[in-house]
Amino acid sequence: GNSVTQMEGPVTLSEEAFLTINCTYTATGYPSLFWYVQYPGEGLQLLLKATKADDKGSNKGFEATYRKETTSFHLEKGSVQVSDSAVYFCACISSGSARQLTFGSGTQLTVLP
Amino acid sequence: NAGVTQTPKFRVLKTGQSMTLLCAQDMNHEYMYWYRQDPGMGLRLIHYSVGEGTTAKGEVPDGYNVSRLKKQNFLLGLESAAPSQTSVYFCASSYSSWDSNSPLHFGNGTRLTVT
Repeated sequence: GNSVTQMEGPVTLSEEAFLTINCTYTATGYPSLFWYVQYPGEGLQLLLKATKADDKGSNKGFEATYRKETTSFHLEKGSVQVSDSAVYFCACISSGSARQLTFGSGTQLTVLP
Repeated sequence: NAGVTQTPKFRVLKTGQSMTLLCAQDMNHEYMYWYRQDPGMGLRLIHYSVGEGTTAKGEVPDGYNVSRLKKQNFLLGLESAAPSQTSVYFCASSYSSWDSNSPLHFGNGTRLTVT
């Protein structure tokens, strides 16, 4: 089956710092890739997505590029804000028969003022 | 604009007790899912449904049952709770299958503790 590996957290940054959260995947077929974000006390929300190699997903200043050669989908933001404090989940879905969304273990981000 | 609503928000059970978690969505979505979230393990799919009257097993179905009698509701049951079922449970729904143009919409979760 598919698997997603995220960098271990927690990650603590100062406001306006650069953020990278690493994500690599193992999947059959040609997977679509996602980043979901979970704010405190809430469910997960889709942050961005990419459906094919070299696609770049972006939203709210966050970006991630689908790298097939390295099977990676790292999340980046140039200048984080306190309001970005949340848990970030990388996920993938294969185009194969299972078609179940597989999540990584999540990375807790805390941004300090 | 309620979206996906889960009840209850919190629950404490003793080992062997039973309970039902309710999920309701008002977006007319066909697909509904139950996940559990455990520290260091991300979200794991318990059961899912592709339409009213249908259910299917996910990655970790043992110890749980589900029913989808109405399109808008998806119930998760624990017949005999065990401490290993202590977790945060999330319901989600989507318009169609997990493809990239039909993202999952999540509820706010139910925190269950089994003592």
